[in-house]
Amino acid sequence: KQEVTQIPAALSVPEGENLVLNCSFTDSAIYNLQWFRQDPGKGLTSLLLIQSSQREQTSGRLNASLDKSSGRSTLYIAASQPGDSATYLCAVGEGNAGNMLTFGGGTRLMVKP
Amino acid sequence: EPEVTQTPSHQVTQMGQEVILRCVPISNHLYFYWYRQILGQKVEFLVSFYNNEISEKSEIFDDQFSVERPDGSNFTLKIRSTKLEDSAMYFCASKEQIYEQYFGPGTRLTVT
Repeated sequence: KQEVTQIPAALSVPEGENLVLNCSFTDSAIYNLQWFRQDPGKGLTSLLLIQSSQREQTSGRLNASLDKSSGRSTLYIAASQPGDSATYLCAVGEGNAGNMLTFGGGTRLMVKP
Repeated sequence: EPEVTQTPSHQVTQMGQEVILRCVPISNHLYFYWYRQILGQKVEFLVSFYNNEISEKSEIFDDQFSVERPDGSNFTLKIRSTKLEDSAMYFCASKEQIYEQYFGPGTRLTVT
């Protein structure tokens, strides 16, 4: 059974810092990997999707990498801002067309002004 | 920008009652999903739906649960006889073929 782990569970950084969030998964036979942002009491906002054949994806200040063989992904956030404060979730897609997402427990990020 | 919508935002029900949670996926999407998140726990996959039938389901999705696409726009999750442990946030999601899943804002279900 797939297990997804995110480290650290919580992170507090000053504004402007670059940071890296980590995600690891136990079964490398994944279809894709998706990073989400979740604000308190709200839904999930998709940030980046990496297909299993890809190594990285970029969107603005965000860069996600995938090393399938070692079961790892990282989300790099450049020049962090207070508005980046949220919980960041990693999810691996398995099954038909990556239908079944297995989520990690998230990293709760606080960016201090 | 198109988005997934869900109603109601909060549903309170008594144990043993039936509830129907409603979702309107993004209009050109073909795959539909339900997930749940019990307070303080991970988001968990329940079921995927494609071409008017269930594609995959988890162990959580037992006979108490059912899904339906009653028309061209709605996608529903029914829980036949709610239990206290069904209290959670339920998220609907949808996607096109190979792209990312887009999630709705969720319905908070409270079973008393």
